[in-house]
Amino acid sequence: ETGVTQSPTHLIKTRGQQVTLRCSSQSGHNTVSWYQQALGQGPQFIFQYYREEENGRGNFPPRFSGLQFPNYSSELNVNALELDDSALYLCASSLLGTDRLWTQYFGPGTRLLVL
Amino acid sequence: RKEVEQDPGPFNVPEGATVAFNCTYSNSASQSFFWYRQDCRKEPKLLMSVYSSGNEDGRFTAQLNRASQYISLLIRDSKLSDSATYLCAVNVGRRALTFGSGTRLQVQP
Repeated sequence: ETGVTQSPTHLIKTRGQQVTLRCSSQSGHNTVSWYQQALGQGPQFIFQYYREEENGRGNFPPRFSGLQFPNYSSELNVNALELDDSALYLCASSLLGTDRLWTQYFGPGTRLLVL
Repeated sequence: RKEVEQDPGPFNVPEGATVAFNCTYSNSASQSFFWYRQDCRKEPKLLMSVYSSGNEDGRFTAQLNRASQYISLLIRDSKLSDSATYLCAVNVGRRALTFGSGTRLQVQP
C-alpha cells in the first residue's frame, strides 16, 4: 500500500452541484497532485500543491479548485458539475527517492458520477 | 500530437510469452520516466522507474532511448496475473506526470 488515502470512494451528484474530494498524503510527502481519469484514458493532470501553494495547473477550468493543509492533506473542489466531470479522481503524493527521481504514489481514487 | 503516446492494444498473448510495449514522448526536457500498472477500476501502481542505463526487475526490463525519445517495457514469461493496463508516464523534476493512454495486456492460458 502507498499510504495515500482518499475519500469518499464513490459519489453520485447531479449537474450543477458542487463536490469536495479529500486526500491524505503519505507521511513526509509534501507534494500532492490531483488527476482526472476518464474511462479508457490515462490520468490527466489537474493541479499540484507544494507546501500549501498551487505549484502548477493543467488544462482545467477555474471551477476546479483545491487546497493543501499544513499536514499536507488536500482537497479538490469542483463547482457547477457537468456530465463530463464523471471520472475517477486520483490523488498522488510525491517523494524524492534515493534514485533522485520524484516518484508519485497514487491513492485508490474517488469515482464520481454526475447525472 | 499527444505529449505521450502508446499503442492502446489490446495485446493478447499466451502464458509464457514475451511482450514488449513502447511509449514515445515529445517533450525533450523530460527528466523522469515511469511505468505504472493499472488493474480494472483501480489506481495506477508504480511498476518501475526507468533509468538512463536501463533497468531490470525480475521478469520486467525497462529501457530509455533519449535520442529517439521513447521508453520501452519488456515482460518475459508472461503470467495470467500480468493482465492489466500499462501506463507510461514522464515528468520534469517535481512537476506533474504526463501519462499515455495506456496499453492493455491480456495474458491467456
